Amino acid sequence: NAGVTQTPKFQVLKTGQSMTLQCAQDMNHEYMSWYRQDPGMGLRLIHYSVGAGITDQGEVPNGYNVSRSTTEDFPLRLLSAAPSQTSVYFCASSSPGQGEAFFGQGTRLTVV
Amino acid sequence: AQSVTQLDSHVSVSEGTPVLLRCNYSSSYSPSLFWYVQHPNKGLQLLLKYTSAATLVKGINGFEAEFKKSETSFHLTKPSAHMSDAAEYFCVVRTGGFKTIFGAGTRLFVKA
Repeated sequence: NAGVTQTPKFQVLKTGQSMTLQCAQDMNHEYMSWYRQDPGMGLRLIHYSVGAGITDQGEVPNGYNVSRSTTEDFPLRLLSAAPSQTSVYFCASSSPGQGEAFFGQGTRLTVV
Repeated sequence: AQSVTQLDSHVSVSEGTPVLLRCNYSSSYSPSLFWYVQHPNKGLQLLLKYTSAATLVKGINGFEAEFKKSETSFHLTKPSAHMSDAAEYFCVVRTGGFKTIFGAGTRLFVKA
């Protein structure tokens, strides 16, 4: 069972560079989301999707774009990286209702 | 509106003594509540979940939590701490639909 797969695991970017964090799930979940984790702040929602073709902003969306062309994939794009985007990023998927979310292993991003 | 408050940012216990990690929540609807654990440089692992069945929920690795509606609490306990329990723990609330809200986390230290 692959579950939720994120790539890459580690990335260093220079300020102003762009990149895409990949997320794929094989559980046929409708809901997918991206979080960032910073010390003492828990996980904060960046963007989410409730199905293919539908995305919306979360708590901290600025500087990030998403798209959802298939049920399986939900990439996160950093348009012009800034040091404030240094963080650990987690992708999650879940089914509608009140069950748990399943998380990828995270991407540790450093912007210098 | 939903919110989650983890009452302690750090908890330190000696090996073999009980663990108590405190969580209060706020929700307009009947919530689902979860505890996740994150070991250093690892992803998030589900410890246990409450989804309106029994109010005392047993999870993995000897952890359990009790849902108390009158106190809006969902505290995590373990009778005897082990060195391998040292990690960060997150209390999470979900009320159907999509939104999953994380607490800020409690870091558990276990002393030999």
